[in-house]
Amino acid sequence: DTEVTQTPKHLVMGMTNKKSLKCEQHMGHRAMYWYKQKAKKPPELMFVYSYEKLSINESVPSRFSPECPNSSLLNLHLHALQPEDSALYLCASSQVNLISTDTQYFGPGTRLTVL
Amino acid sequence: GQNIDQPTEMTATEGAIVQINCTYQTSGFNGLFWYQQHAGEAPTFLSYNVLDGLEEKGRFSSFLSRSKGYSYLLLKKLQMKDSASYLCAVGRGSTLGRLYFGRGTQLTVWP
Repeated sequence: DTEVTQTPKHLVMGMTNKKSLKCEQHMGHRAMYWYKQKAKKPPELMFVYSYEKLSINESVPSRFSPECPNSSLLNLHLHALQPEDSALYLCASSQVNLISTDTQYFGPGTRLTVL
Repeated sequence: GQNIDQPTEMTATEGAIVQINCTYQTSGFNGLFWYQQHAGEAPTFLSYNVLDGLEEKGRFSSFLSRSKGYSYLLLKKLQMKDSASYLCAVGRGSTLGRLYFGRGTQLTVWP
């Protein structure tokens, strides 16, 4: 089973709204990732959690707030977003490997539109 | 950032073979990944190379030459459903867990 699930599939929100994106995996992976992807561009890394601790924050604006409540779940809390934040938000997970880069498995993504 | 280069677009016909190249310049190379991404969907893992040589997986093969900083993805017996973006991504030993993506190659397969 290499499934990562994400909810919701689509989200439309206003600039004053607060919403959350959710990601779940049951592969026993201890690293989880948030990516942002604009049309015709590669995924851009936002955050990495390793063993439920934030290990990488790619200078993401504070209107994006990640949370890892346990080893299977990853949330992304959104507040006061801008229209340019509209994108496909992808979650991924992988094993944690101390000597090599492990394969990341992606969820189907949340298509976010900010009005 | 890392210098990862792949062609922007390629076209081919059904049943043909296509080779998508990827070149990279990075220190501490720690593996090269190929992903397939259909429009509006998530990237799907295709292959991983960390040692030189060819890895074959059904209709798809991937090759790596570390000394040349070069990889290719070979797709045989193309099908219409192979129309997608193909992403080359590199891992580095100093930043484990992080993938550096190329811009992707949009492949269109014609009947």
